[in-house]
Amino acid sequence: DAMVIQNPRYQVTQFGKPVTLSCSQTLNHNVMYWYQQKSSQAPKLLFHYYDKDFNNEADTPDNFQSRRPNTSFCFLDIRSPGLGDAAMYLCATSVDGSLYNEQFFGPGTRLTVL
Amino acid sequence: KQEVTQIPAALSVPEGENLVLNCSFTDSAIYNLQWFRQDPGKGLTSLLLIQSSQREQTSGRLNASLDKSSGRSTLYIAASQPGDSATYLCAVKTNAGKSTFGDGTTLTVKP
Repeated sequence: DAMVIQNPRYQVTQFGKPVTLSCSQTLNHNVMYWYQQKSSQAPKLLFHYYDKDFNNEADTPDNFQSRRPNTSFCFLDIRSPGLGDAAMYLCATSVDGSLYNEQFFGPGTRLTVL
Repeated sequence: KQEVTQIPAALSVPEGENLVLNCSFTDSAIYNLQWFRQDPGKGLTSLLLIQSSQREQTSGRLNASLDKSSGRSTLYIAASQPGDSATYLCAVKTNAGKSTFGDGTTLTVKP
């Protein structure tokens, strides 16, 4: 089945130790998104890729970076995680330009910062 | 700036009841509105998507409506079941392609 896959599902890191979260998709969608969701809060968009074009949200901290080496993969790098970065990180995809334009989400990666 | 509000934050109903979840948004210039379900510790599962030109969408026991002029959408769940217990989120997408989510309504259906 076509889907959005996130690895790992659970990630524990130490304060200040860089961490990379991975997202892959078999849907061949041209848009990929990264959201941060803290407990009982709405998902907050960090950035998205429209094909290879990177679009950063104005309030996304510089500590967060992203890479998209090809259509299928997208990575979220947190350069120096702080305690406040502990959250669920959600990857999503969509086909921009389609009438339907539905977002499809992966299962998320739960990040714990010790 | 688009703001999305979901009221109530939590809802508890006995099994078998019909219920309505509400979503309101401040900017009516939307591209679409999508309802999601989120189980604890999991990702988001898409339930229904309504295009800006549509008034409602139905899938099984779920019916979502959209009234752009008043900035409101509702998700109607018929004959609720314990398995419907989850957090329900609405997301509004603008013509610029960005989605804004509400904080969600946590539904508990008691057997």
